[in-house]
Amino acid sequence: GQQVMQIPQYQHVQEGEDFTTYCNSSTTLSNIQWYKQRPGGHPVFLIQLVKSGEVKKQKRLTFQFGEAKKNSSLHITATQTTDVGTYFCAGRLVAGNNRKLIWGLGTSLAVNP
Amino acid sequence: SAVISQKPSRDICQRGTSLTIQCQVDSQVTMMFWYRQQPGQSLTLIATANQGSEATYESGFVIDKFPISRPNLTFSTLTVSNMSPEDSSIYLCSVDFRGVGEKLFFGSGTQLSVL
Repeated sequence: GQQVMQIPQYQHVQEGEDFTTYCNSSTTLSNIQWYKQRPGGHPVFLIQLVKSGEVKKQKRLTFQFGEAKKNSSLHITATQTTDVGTYFCAGRLVAGNNRKLIWGLGTSLAVNP
Repeated sequence: SAVISQKPSRDICQRGTSLTIQCQVDSQVTMMFWYRQQPGQSLTLIATANQGSEATYESGFVIDKFPISRPNLTFSTLTVSNMSPEDSSIYLCSVDFRGVGEKLFFGSGTQLSVL
């Protein structure tokens, strides 16, 4: 079946270092969403990418959607302790249908102060 | 964004019993979903709660085990029936307000432990 692979599974960084997590789909996606889940918390929506090659920025976070709409990345510049959590990508196979969201396994980010 | 209240936040249950989890939204929503998240794992969709009709279950989940109700556009319940230790997990309700495949908002989750 369709899968969204997400790497790395875990990442430890020193505060101030950069961090990147990658998602790769076995099939072309309609669009992709990113969520952040703090320890003990629930997933919180960060962004949705729709267009081929799209790049969006939110302060220190940069999100990219590949040209083939099969891969995506989230890059955090100069990490802070507030960035700690698990970052999930979720690819949508069919536009407008949240039943067809395929979730990555998540990347857990730990930041050493 | 609206407020999504999910309760209980956690429970410890005995094998063979059932637990009903409630999800209340403070505004009407088009789509409501129930997810399961095992510790340190990703999210797995259990079912879509349909207002006024039977829920739509994903592969591997059945109504007898996870009956769902959605009597109106602001409320849904998920029951975990005849529980076993394998049902220990976090259960999350989520909503898509307009039902057009936009972002999901999640309740705070129910952490269930089955002894």
